[in-house]
Amino acid sequence: LAKTTQPISMDSYEGQEVNITCSHNNIATNDYITWYQQFPSQGPRFIIQGYKTKVTNEVASLFIPADRKSSTLSLPRVSLSDTAVYYCLPRSGGTGGFKTIFGAGTRLFVKA
Amino acid sequence: SAVISQKPSRDICQRGTSLTIQCQVDSQVTMMFWYRQQPGQSLTLIATANQGSEATYESGFVIDKFPISRPNLTFSTLTVSNLSPEDSSIYLCSVEDSPGVTDTQYFGPGTRLTVL
Repeated sequence: LAKTTQPISMDSYEGQEVNITCSHNNIATNDYITWYQQFPSQGPRFIIQGYKTKVTNEVASLFIPADRKSSTLSLPRVSLSDTAVYYCLPRSGGTGGFKTIFGAGTRLFVKA
Repeated sequence: SAVISQKPSRDICQRGTSLTIQCQVDSQVTMMFWYRQQPGQSLTLIATANQGSEATYESGFVIDKFPISRPNLTFSTLTVSNLSPEDSSIYLCSVEDSPGVTDTQYFGPGTRLTVL
C-alpha cells in the first residue's frame, strides 16, 4: 500500500481557493487516487478520484502530475461549511476489495 | 452510490458489557468494512467482512473482542465485547462501490460508543 503524506492542518478564509497536496511516492501503476471529506460526527464522503492529469467535478478539482507521486485537491472559493478533514488515498484499481488504509488527513479550517 | 444505515447511532454502555452494531446497505455488496475512529484521530480498519466467509481482521484486532457477522449481501453486524473505556470511539461500516473499477468506498453515519 502506498504511504501518503499530507499537511496536518491548513487555515483559509471564505472565498479563497484551497489547495491540499498529498505525496504518495510509492504509488503503484494500478492505483487510483481518491480523496474523501469528513465532517465532524459523520462518516467520510467521497469527493473526487483520478488517475492522471486533471479531473474536475462540481465539488473540486484534482491535479495529478505525470509522475503521479503527488496529487493536489483544489477547492474553489471555500465556505465555512468546507471545514472538514480531507484524506487522500491511493487505491488499487482492478483488484476489487482492496482494503483502504486512512492516513492522518488534513484538517482544513475555513474562517469568516 | 450505496446508502448505508447504522444502528444504534449512539450508545452509552457499562464496562464489561457488549454492544452489537448493525449495518444495512440498500444494495447487494461483496465487501463490507468495519472501522474505528477514536476521538480526534483518523480511521483504523478493524476487519473486512465477506458474505459467507470468516471476517479478516487487521493487526491488533481479534475475533473474540470484535466478532462480526455477515449473513447476507446487504447486512453485517459488529459486536464490541467486554467493553472498557478504551473502546469509546465511533464505529463505522463501509462498502465498496464498483469493485475492480474505481474501488470507491461509501460510509455509514457511524455509531458513537461511550463506555463508562
